Amino acid sequence: DAGITQSPRHKVTETGTPVTLRCHQTENHRYMYWYRQDPGHGLRLIHYSYGVKDTDKGEVSDGYSVSRSKTEDFLLTLESATSSQTSVYFCAIAGAGHDTGELFFGEGSRLTVL
Amino acid sequence: SQKIEQNSEALNIQEGKTATLTCNYTNYSPAYLQWYRQDPGRGPVFLLLIRENEKEKRKERLKVTFDTTLKQSLFHITASQPADSATYLCALNTGFQKLVFGTGTRLLVSP
Repeated sequence: DAGITQSPRHKVTETGTPVTLRCHQTENHRYMYWYRQDPGHGLRLIHYSYGVKDTDKGEVSDGYSVSRSKTEDFLLTLESATSSQTSVYFCAIAGAGHDTGELFFGEGSRLTVL
Repeated sequence: SQKIEQNSEALNIQEGKTATLTCNYTNYSPAYLQWYRQDPGRGPVFLLLIRENEKEKRKERLKVTFDTTLKQSLFHITASQPADSATYLCALNTGFQKLVFGTGTRLLVSP
């Protein structure tokens, strides 16, 4: 199994509070991703990173920011959480192959915003 | 608009039969397509990748076809088992190392 750890695994918070989700990998892979998964929408890309301090927006980036100060850590921040951000968040890393594109996913972080 | 469509209704089959799941897409020209398996409460797990110049790919009991003219991929599980019950997701690359996922199809294999 790819070494990907997400924390926290479950979080309940209130509208307007900041939230940070952490993704930690032990594989030394360059590419890291944050997806959210909601019923009827499937997995949607929020942000991704292609190296330390190199990040870019995905399909649903509004209301989210990311940071990657080390190869192994990719943080997702909700500056002011809203109920629409209640979701399951998955971190993923791309395989070492240059063009395979296969992703290895973490176990997910379930966020509930009340 | 760009779309990836997978049958949202669950597919129910009997053990030993072949399960066939469909992934259709519009307005994409992917260089490759992937299939993942997802169990409840878990992250997706990569199964197979097929490139645009490949018609068919096999791995054990799994077979994937890719028809870029029809813009369709079929995912087959032969001799299905109850342990194959899960949600199966297809994904297309939309750029270098970026994937877009379908909503998935739930497969239920009964003994």
